[in-house]
Formats: sequence, structure tokens, C-alpha cells
Amino acid sequence: EAQVTQNPRYLITVTGKKLTVTCSQNMNHEYMSWYRQDPGLGLRQIYYSMNVEVTDKGDVPEGYKVSRKEKRNFPLILESPSPNQTSLYFCASSPGLAGVYEQYFGPGTRLTVT
Amino acid sequence: GDSVTQMEGPVTLSEEAFLTINCTYTATGYPSLFWYVQYPGEGLQLLLKATKADDKGSNKGFEATYRKETTSFHLEKGSVQVSDSAVYFCALSDYNFNKFYFGSGTKLNVKP
Repeated sequence: EAQVTQNPRYLITVTGKKLTVTCSQNMNHEYMSWYRQDPGLGLRQIYYSMNVEVTDKGDVPEGYKVSRKEKRNFPLILESPSPNQTSLYFCASSPGLAGVYEQYFGPGTRLTVT
Repeated sequence: GDSVTQMEGPVTLSEEAFLTINCTYTATGYPSLFWYVQYPGEGLQLLLKATKADDKGSNKGFEATYRKETTSFHLEKGSVQVSDSAVYFCALSDYNFNKFYFGSGTKLNVKP
């Protein structure tokens, strides 16, 4: 089944403890992206990647890191999480440019930082 | 910078009522415009899109027309169903087609 998977689905952590949220797609998509969803703000783009080893900042990249060493994986790294990073996170992938092709979204990761 | 503004919700309608959800945008150049839908507990799914002025996107009875003169992309459906209850997001991609901007979302409740 074609899909985008994220792990973990739920995570509660403490301030300053490094964490990684994984994202994997099995559709051989070139473009991948991370978003956070907050009430009243909709989705905001954190980082995106147009291909292996090619990443760029979205609208809200501060406090996050990403890497794209393989085409199928695009992990999101929070080196020192803070409470304002408590949010619902979505990974998405697209066959090519996201403005041309449909983005396929993962099920989401709910992160709580205390 | 680029941005999307959509009407506040929630919107509550009776089954078979007419739906309009307003969306306006600010962008440099010629963005592509989208409506995505999020059902409870799920990720977003593409509903429809339009890539140039005067294009009409349509899917599952929903329609939206890309109006450059009014910088709008309003979502409409002639007769809503209970199964249309969801959160609807208007979005644009910038002229490079890499960056994405979403509106705040509009929750639609359809009552039998």
C-alpha cells in the first residue's frame, strides 16, 4: 500500500531532551516536507526537501533540523525541544514539485514537551 | 510574504444546504492554489487545485475558481452531505512550487 508513515504517533518528552520523529514513504517520491499544525494557525511548513541531500527552510524552521540521506526517509530532529514546540506534526511527500503534484500526508505525530 | 486567509469556523449546515468557504491570498508572482480536507484523526487529503488564473478546480461536487483580480479561491458545493463534515484548508504554493502556505482551516459540521 502506498503510504507515508511517521513514528512515533504520540510522544511526551521534557524540555531539552533531544528527539527524532521519523518519516518514511514507499512511493519513490522526490519531494518531502514537514509541517506543524496548531489551533487557529493551520499548517505551517518547517522544512522541505526536493531530493536526496537537498533541503531548505520553510516558514518556521527555528529549533528544528532535518536530513535527507535516502530518498524514502526524511527525519525531523529537535535538538533541544521547548514547550512552544508542542504541536501536531505532519510529514508529506509528493512525486515532484509540491505546487504541481498532490502532496500525500502521513497520519501525524502529536508531540507534547513539558 | 505569501499568506492565505480563510473564513473562521465552525460552519454548521443542514444536509443538502449550499456551502461557501471563503479564501483569499497574498502572493508574489503566480501561485498555485489548493483546497485540502482533513477528516477527524487523519492527515490532509487534496480536494482540488488550480494552477493559473480563471482555472476551476473540481472534485466530489466541490468547486473553486482561481480569481486573480480578487485574489480569491472560494470553495463551493451545491448540496452538502453529513460525510462532508471535516476541516477544510485553503493553501498556496509559491512561484517556485516548493514552499507551501496554509490557511487556518474552517471546520464544517453538516447535520442530518
